[in-house]
Amino acid sequence: DQQVKQNSPSLSVQEGRISILNCDYTNSMFDYFLWYKKYPAEGPTFLISISSIKDKNEDGRFTVFLNKSAKHLSLHIVPSQPGDSAVYFCAASGPDSGGSNYKLTFGKGTLLTVNP
Amino acid sequence: GAGVSQSPSNKVTEKGKDVELRCDPISGHTALYWYRQRLGQGLEFLIYFQGNSAPDKSGLPSDRFSAERTGESVSTLTIQRTQQEDSAVYLCASSLFPGNGYTFGSGTRLTVV
Repeated sequence: DQQVKQNSPSLSVQEGRISILNCDYTNSMFDYFLWYKKYPAEGPTFLISISSIKDKNEDGRFTVFLNKSAKHLSLHIVPSQPGDSAVYFCAASGPDSGGSNYKLTFGKGTLLTVNP
Repeated sequence: GAGVSQSPSNKVTEKGKDVELRCDPISGHTALYWYRQRLGQGLEFLIYFQGNSAPDKSGLPSDRFSAERTGESVSTLTIQRTQQEDSAVYLCASSLFPGNGYTFGSGTRLTVV
């Protein structure tokens, strides 16, 4: 039962254009969402997050949009740069039956390739 | 230390052997997590330590897996009688506050042959 889904295993864009990475979730208890970026042979690094009380969060070239009714979030990268080429993971957390809120549930990731 | 340190970075072991993976979290981070990523899959939660509280072991896939943490420092993940399906990258992360601001280590790539 995959609670966080990234349906595109890969995405290729031209340098300077917009990259849009998508993520869907099924658990309505999720209230905090994060994007991580991973280069080969390195651990994931935190990129940007959004709380369920917001529908948009922006940090430089990166913007995350949240559509709670559709249980969908997306990461926009504008303009895309070759150094953005990496695997991007969507993750979500929310209170469990005990009220704890520390586990992250990850998607399978999307490999972004930005071509010069 | 400056980051989360994991060792070894790579481990090849024979099926049936035991392995021990080590994680040194960021100093002062009370929360420590183990995840694993099998080929083509997302990160899978294994276990969570928070201070002196009882760990959340709900993600451990079988009783061959165990983990310990000494206070708020080093953690070891032990896999007994390894199987080929245990092959994965095992990632450790720590955070100052639970559920927020995870910093991951570079992982240990375990290959069971």
